[in-house]
Amino acid sequence: QQQVRQSPQSLTVWEGETAILNCSYENSAFDYFPWYQQFPGEGPALLISILSVSNKKEDGRFTIFFNKREKKLSLHIADSQPGDSATYFCAASGTGYQNFYFGKGTSLTVIP
Amino acid sequence: GPKVLQIPSHQIIDMGQMVTLNCDPVSNHLYFYWYKQILGQQMEFLVNFYNGKVMEKSKLFKDQFSVERPDGSYFTLKIQPTALEDSAVYFCASSWGDYAEQFFGPGTRLTVL
Repeated sequence: QQQVRQSPQSLTVWEGETAILNCSYENSAFDYFPWYQQFPGEGPALLISILSVSNKKEDGRFTIFFNKREKKLSLHIADSQPGDSATYFCAASGTGYQNFYFGKGTSLTVIP
Repeated sequence: GPKVLQIPSHQIIDMGQMVTLNCDPVSNHLYFYWYKQILGQQMEFLVNFYNGKVMEKSKLFKDQFSVERPDGSYFTLKIQPTALEDSAVYFCASSWGDYAEQFFGPGTRLTVL
């Protein structure tokens, strides 16, 4: 059973638009949700994260919206730049878990 | 920022052979992880390691897999013998504490023929 699901699989936006990446999870015990950004040939790097006690987390152009009741979250990338073109992974973890469950990722392309 | 290195970047071996994947974690980190990613699939947790011991492992961590970090050197994943289904990209990660940010290496692409 896939614990973390992401959609869409791929997304293309124009420079300056807001990209919205979606994530949902199965296990209500998850309480920590990091988003990782991965460029080709590199390992994933932590971009932004949120705890389940919050419903929103902002860091510059990146915002996570979290809905605990629906077990959904989304990553909004405002004013998208070509340099944001990468694969974004949603992950989940929780108390008692020392590992993360990853989604399959969303491949984002930002067209200049 | 802190970097995790993985050696080699690519490895091609014949089925049944042994392979060792090497990870050079961030110097002051205490927790070490291996993840497996099959092309087009999500990254999946294999094992984590702390204080010389496996703390947690998934069902993907078969009996043919082993990990160690002798004397603070490389954190290694050994597969013996390898099988076709072991073909994947293996990511190493490290963190200074449990639940702390995990820093990932660039991965080793393993191809088993």
